[in-house]
Amino acid sequence: SQQGEEDPQALSIQEGENATMNCSYKTSINNLQWYRQNSGRGLVHLILIRSNEREKHSGRLRVTLDTSKKSSSLLITASRAADTASYFCATENSGNTPLVFGKGTRLSVIA
Amino acid sequence: NAGVTQTPKFQVLKTGQSMTLQCAQDMNHEYMSWYRQDPGMGLRLIHYSVGAGITDQGEVPNGYNVSRSTTEDFPLRLLSAAPSQTSVYFCASSFTGTGTFYGYTFGSGTRLTVV
Repeated sequence: SQQGEEDPQALSIQEGENATMNCSYKTSINNLQWYRQNSGRGLVHLILIRSNEREKHSGRLRVTLDTSKKSSSLLITASRAADTASYFCATENSGNTPLVFGKGTRLSVIA
Repeated sequence: NAGVTQTPKFQVLKTGQSMTLQCAQDMNHEYMSWYRQDPGMGLRLIHYSVGAGITDQGEVPNGYNVSRSTTEDFPLRLLSAAPSQTSVYFCASSFTGTGTFYGYTFGSGTRLTVV
């Protein structure tokens, strides 16, 4: 069963704009992770945020986590055409249990 | 360093045939798993393993078998292929740890069509 639910399902922006994707989940978690999938490829791990963290940065990526609202957001700043991909959130619900993935947000960055 | 290698990349099967999807990793990861990805469904967990000799079922295990005789390999067997098993299959691996969390490394996928 899906734990994470991404919103929006699809997003189209111009190059240089910021892209924000949201993820909501249902049960308590140990950590939440974001992955990128380019068309026809495997998923690539982007960033992991622990349940006791509120914000993390990695390059142009900023992830926030609000455990009281059971939600997370992924912000990509100054987007590029190469950022066009699907983005998935995934949650680890307790120690060493498998990640549960959402259905993803499809991001299109138009040059 | 090859990471996670999946073979084959593409496969067409007839209903009722069996086959094995191969997955190998060279990172000494304890944890390995298989997911299937269908349009609009995200990734769903089929089976996973936390170490050699240990396997467990995920969300959608029916019609699939796995074994983990070595740390490196985690093959997925389709016992009698059905059209409902048409999907893209991904293998993933990771370190495990208590209190330490790791991201997954994914293979490039196997696109399976059952006719």
